[in-house]
Amino acid sequence: QVQLQESGPGLVKPSETLSLTCTVSSGSISSYYWSWIRQPPGKGLEWIGYIYYSGNTNYNPSLKSRVTISVDTSKNQFSLKLSSVTAADTAVYYCARHVAESYGMDVWGQGTTVTVSS
Amino acid sequence: SYELTQPPSVSVSPGQTASITCSGDKLGDKFASWYQQRPGQSPVLVIYQDTKRPSGIPERFSGSNSGNTATLTISGTQAMDEADYYCQAWDSGYVFGTGTKVTVL
Repeated sequence: QVQLQESGPGLVKPSETLSLTCTVSSGSISSYYWSWIRQPPGKGLEWIGYIYYSGNTNYNPSLKSRVTISVDTSKNQFSLKLSSVTAADTAVYYCARHVAESYGMDVWGQGTTVTVSS
Repeated sequence: SYELTQPPSVSVSPGQTASITCSGDKLGDKFASWYQQRPGQSPVLVIYQDTKRPSGIPERFSGSNSGNTATLTISGTQAMDEADYYCQAWDSGYVFGTGTKVTVL
């Protein structure tokens, strides 16, 4: 059963870049789409963007200017960078898998909390 | 930008049927998915491609999608179904609904 695990700093200063990695275990990163989703405290889910294993990306227009998602197939990992963060970027960040665009996300990581504060 | 609207809350008695709606412009022309999120846990996919259930999801969960509304139905609701539910659709990118808190009274 494929598993996803997010990792990265839990605290980021305002104006700096948030960096997270999602490690895929018990399965291959190939032939799937991989998304990042976030959930601010007490609020709903927001899709950040996805990367296909080949490197094609698609970002949420509201975050596109600040987001970069990359993949390292040799390490079975994909990563998120969100620049110029503010307190509004404080959230639980999840990584998830989907088999194609428009398909549901069938595997999720446990999530990691990122707080933006000085 | 595309928006999906859900009722903030739905209450249901144990054993009864809960229906959660998700409204969006021409949503019936897109595929809808539904997620269950219990407190402190990651979302779980319960319906994809409008009506399909992933392996391991109980048969009491069903979905439909037509016109401007997708609906998640929980038949014979159990206490363990108390959770937040989110719809999701694809419109040149993923969009999540506003979320519905289901309370089993």
